[in-house]
Amino acid sequence: DSGVTQTPKHLITATGQRVTLRCSPRSGDLSVYWYQQSLDQGLQFLIQYYNGEERAKGNILERFSAQQFPDLHSELNLSSLELGDSALYFCASSVDRLARANTGELFFGEGSRLTVL
Amino acid sequence: QQQVKQSPQSLIVQKGGISIINCAYENTAFDYFPWYQQFPGKGPALLIAIRPDVSEKKEGRFTISFNKSAKQFSLHIMDSQPGDSATYFCAASTGGTSGTYKYIFGTGTRLKVLA
Repeated sequence: DSGVTQTPKHLITATGQRVTLRCSPRSGDLSVYWYQQSLDQGLQFLIQYYNGEERAKGNILERFSAQQFPDLHSELNLSSLELGDSALYFCASSVDRLARANTGELFFGEGSRLTVL
Repeated sequence: QQQVKQSPQSLIVQKGGISIINCAYENTAFDYFPWYQQFPGKGPALLIAIRPDVSEKKEGRFTISFNKSAKQFSLHIMDSQPGDSATYFCAASTGGTSGTYKYIFGTGTRLKVLA
C-alpha cells in the first residue's frame, strides 16, 4: 500500500458530462502529480502541485483543471467529456513535509478508471 | 527532446531467463533515471533508480545499466520469475540535484515470464 488514496476507483459517465477525481496524498507529502494512462500508452503527465500551488503543467487539456487544497488533497476536474478521455487517471505524491527532502520517488495511488460512453 | 523511448513494447521470457528492457533519452539535463513496476489493477511502484554519476546499480535480481555517452539505460532482470510479470516503465527526470523533479515516462514494456 503506497499510502495514496484515489476515489472513485471506477467511474462510468456519458459524453459532455463533468467528473471530479479525488486524491489524498501519502501522509506528510507536499507534492501531488496527476497522470493519464490510456490503453497501450505510457503515463502522460498532466499537472503537478506543491503545497497548494501549481508547480508544473504537462499535456493537460483546457477542459481539465486541478487544484490542491490546504489539507493537501487534490482534485482533478474533467469537463465536456469525450470518448477519448476514457483512461486510467493516476495520482502520485512525493516530498515528505518533515524532511522537506525529495528522494525522487513517486508514490502512486491505484488509479481512477474513467469510462466515457 | 523531452521524450523517453522505451523498447520492446512487450517481452516474453522463460522462467530463469534474463529480461532486458531498454530506454533512450535526448535531454542531457536529465539526472535521475528510475524504473517503475506496475501490476494489473495497481499503480506503478518504484523498482530501482540510478543517477548519472554511476554506470550500474544492482538491487537483488534487478540491475540498471547506464550509458551516459549513448544516452541510454536499461533494466536487466536476472533469473526472471513468473511473479515478475508486470508492466515496466522507465523514466527520466531533471531536478535530481535541486530536488524539484520533472518526470518523463517511457511507454512501458509488458513482461510475461512463462513458468
